[in-house]
Amino acid sequence: SYELTQPPSVSVSPGQTASVTCSGDKLGDKFASWYRQKPGQSPVLVIYQDRKRPSGIPERFSGSNSGNTATLTISGTQATDEADYYCQAWDSSTASYVFGTGTKVTVL
Amino acid sequence: VQVLESGGGLVQPGGSLRLSCAASGFRSDIYAMSWVRQAPGKGLEWVSAISGGGDNTYYADSVKGRFTVSRDNSRNTLYLQMTSLRAEDTAVYYCVKENIVAVGQINWFDPWGQGTLVTVSS
Repeated sequence: SYELTQPPSVSVSPGQTASVTCSGDKLGDKFASWYRQKPGQSPVLVIYQDRKRPSGIPERFSGSNSGNTATLTISGTQATDEADYYCQAWDSSTASYVFGTGTKVTVL
Repeated sequence: VQVLESGGGLVQPGGSLRLSCAASGFRSDIYAMSWVRQAPGKGLEWVSAISGGGDNTYYADSVKGRFTVSRDNSRNTLYLQMTSLRAEDTAVYYCVKENIVAVGQINWFDPWGQGTLVTVSS
């Protein structure tokens, strides 16, 4: 089955840039989406189709996808960005959606 | 645009439960929808998807043969019939709207419901 691997945790200082990676075989050939989940809340879409931002998501959130890695970048990180982040893609070989293992972003 | 789940609860191993998801603010027949679950303290796991017309359904291997997804577009409602439930099915189940009528490559999930908790325990 297709797997998407993320680092368990990423730490960042306020105002700095946080990068969260998502690795999967030929992931760059697929579209990646990203979701933010704060404690006790439902996930929220922050990036879709690799690099597009839904309305209401701050410009400091950006995405890229190439080769085997998709990356979510948070520029000028704020305390409110502290959350778990998950990538997601479609695996056509099994006709199923796949989520990444999740990354906890901590703003120190 | 909103989705609202209901039907969760406590069920014994081997039992059955049906979840519902009421959609509002959009025409449900032109959007695929999915169920995603999250076990306590764990990550997200996609469970099942259904196309806008209900003619195509998809399942994770972990639930194939035990869960059935369906929809009633006249009622703007999505369902997940769960049978032969196991302890490992214990999770919050989220209903999510996709962006087009078909399930697949170019899709994303937005919005998510608030979730409904299913607990499988004796």
